[in-house]
Amino acid sequence: TQLLEQSPQFLSIQEGENLTVYCNSSSVFSSLQWYRQEPGEGPVLLVTVVTGGEVKKLKRLTFQFGDARKDSSLHITAAQPGDTGLYLCAGPRGGSEKLVFGKGTKLTVNP
Amino acid sequence: SQTIHQWPATLVQPVGSPLSLECTVEGTSNPNLYWYRQAAGRGLQLLFYSVGIGQISSEVPQNLSASRPQDRQFILSSKKLLLSDSGFYLCAWSPPGMFSEKLFFGSGTQLSVL
Repeated sequence: TQLLEQSPQFLSIQEGENLTVYCNSSSVFSSLQWYRQEPGEGPVLLVTVVTGGEVKKLKRLTFQFGDARKDSSLHITAAQPGDTGLYLCAGPRGGSEKLVFGKGTKLTVNP
Repeated sequence: SQTIHQWPATLVQPVGSPLSLECTVEGTSNPNLYWYRQAAGRGLQLLFYSVGIGQISSEVPQNLSASRPQDRQFILSSKKLLLSDSGFYLCAWSPPGMFSEKLFFGSGTQLSVL
């Protein structure tokens, strides 16, 4: 079973701080997706990384896929209250294309 | 543009009662459709998926079932709800030919079984 472990589980910071959250696995993934979910809503896809070592930027968010394609990180620069939410990583299960999701990192950015 | 509608947003049902959650997608044809359940501390669990009308694949044996009576309609049902069926149910779609890529989620149904 390919599991995606996300850390930290909870993170509370002040507006303007930088942060990094992690998504790790013991298995290789062909790609990883990052979603953000706000309370009472469905997740929204932020980015997909597909190449080992790949770095993608989305405004203040920087996503990196590990060289071995077993892990990924999300770095947020100068966090804002609007960044508050549950950040989920997901990847296709080995041997199939069905997505497996991590349990997420719940981020709270305080004004 | 494509949109996904899921209803109801909130549902409180007694144990043993039936369930029907509906999801429709607009603005696309032959989408891949998915039902997920999100329980606290457990992440998103894939329940059912469908790549075409009448084609349903079940991921987890349970007392839930799914149907796709029309191309862009996906229904989650149960004949008798259990307490353990409580959770946040999410419908999602992805473009044809892009199974498990670029999932677009509905706004979810919070189901409480009492």
